[in-house]
Amino acid sequence: DADVTQTPRNRITKTGKRIMLECSQTKGHDRMYWYRQDPGLGLQLIYYSFDVKDINKGEISDGYSVSRQAQAKFSLSLESAIPNQTALYFCATSENRADTQYFGPGTRLTVL
Amino acid sequence: AQSVAQPEDQVNVAEGNPLTVKCTYSVSGNPYLFWYVQYPNRGLQFLLKYITGDNLVKGSYGFEAEFNKSQTSFHLKKPSALVSDSALYFCAVRDMGSARQLTFGSGTQLTVLP
Repeated sequence: DADVTQTPRNRITKTGKRIMLECSQTKGHDRMYWYRQDPGLGLQLIYYSFDVKDINKGEISDGYSVSRQAQAKFSLSLESAIPNQTALYFCATSENRADTQYFGPGTRLTVL
Repeated sequence: AQSVAQPEDQVNVAEGNPLTVKCTYSVSGNPYLFWYVQYPNRGLQFLLKYITGDNLVKGSYGFEAEFNKSQTSFHLKKPSALVSDSALYFCAVRDMGSARQLTFGSGTQLTVLP
C-alpha cells in the first residue's frame, strides 16, 4: 500500500552495528505497529503505538527500540544488530479498535 | 491469552476447484477475526474481517470466510480458485475484551495449479 512507506527496502549490515528502519504513513491513522516475519513463524509484534505518547512493547521487543516522532512517523532501531535479527520487517497502521491494519512493503534486513 | 492456529503450512488446489484455508482461534472473550494475503515481495493486504453480525463474511477477490463459534474456526474459502490466488495467507485474531493488539497465525502457502 503506497500510503505506508518503509525505508530502506533492503539493508545488509554487520553484527554490532546500529541500524534504524523508518516508517511513514499518509493515512492519518493514530495507531502504528512494527512486526518481524520469519519463515514458518508468521508475524510477531515488536512494538506498537496508539498515539505519539503511547508506546508499548510487543511479543519480541528485546534488542529493539522505537521512536514515534510524529503521528505519521514510527522508527524501529536495532542498537547492536545480531545475526538472528535477520528477517523481514513490516510497519503497519490502523485507524481504530476495528483493527484493519494496512502494511508497508517491508524491509529485508540481513545481519552478517 | 489469545492464539490462532493455521494447521496447514501448504495447500494445493487445482484451478477452478474450490479452496479452503483453515484457521482456528482461542480467546477468552469475543473475537475480532481477520484474513490477510501476502504476495511475493509485498506487504500483507487485508482480505476480510469478522467483527459481529452475519457469520458469513465476504471480502476482496471473491473470498469469503465463515465464523463458527462452536468450533472456534474462521476458515477462508473461495468457490473457484485462480492461479493468481497463489500466495501466503494469514489469519489473525484479537480478543475484544482483553487484548490491545492482533495475534497472527503462522501462515498457509496456497498454490493453485493450472
